[in-house]
Amino acid sequence: DGGITQSPKYLFRKEGQNVTLSCEQNLNHDAMYWYRQDPGQGLRLIYYSQIVNDFQKGDIAEGYSVSREKKESFPLTVTSAQKNPTAFYLCASSTPQETQYFGPGTRLLVL
Amino acid sequence: QKEVEQDPGPLSVPEGAIVSLNCTYSNSAFQYFMWYRQYSRKGPELLMYTYSSGNKEDGRFTAQVDKSSKYISLFIRDSQPSDSATYLCAISRANNLFFGTGTRLTVIP
Repeated sequence: DGGITQSPKYLFRKEGQNVTLSCEQNLNHDAMYWYRQDPGQGLRLIYYSQIVNDFQKGDIAEGYSVSREKKESFPLTVTSAQKNPTAFYLCASSTPQETQYFGPGTRLLVL
Repeated sequence: QKEVEQDPGPLSVPEGAIVSLNCTYSNSAFQYFMWYRQYSRKGPELLMYTYSSGNKEDGRFTAQVDKSSKYISLFIRDSQPSDSATYLCAISRANNLFFGTGTRLTVIP
């Protein structure tokens, strides 16, 4: 049963805390992406990775970090430098034909 | 100017109506054109994918691309309450997707 999983579904962050969002895929896709979705603003690209051990900043990378040690996994860390982290975070992976498939998302809330 | 502009809606139609959702884009280098459906608090789900001008049909859904006008559309025939969702257009260039802001559709029984 192929797909993309994200965990947790909901995540709460305290002031000054770093939190990590998990994204795993078993579709054998090389490319993976992280987006942030805010109401009325569509999806904005945070980071993307075309191959293992390589990643590039997207449009809103400040305050976020990623790693890509395995093809299947692309975790996103929201650091304390991100001052407005409340949002819906979506992970995606893509085929060579550039069709992206999304996970179910993680909703991050600030306490 | 945004790479992709989408009519924001919201759009409310009676059950059985034909729905037309539209986007325009600015860069003629875009290669692939997609429509996603997103239910509330869920990840976007790929509905339609095309790379050429013309129409592509899948059941009640038809995706239309006009590259000369830089205009894409999604038509939904015989709309159902289960079609109520936000619809996102997405256009691809060099392995990056550019999304419209989404159109919220409500189909009233």
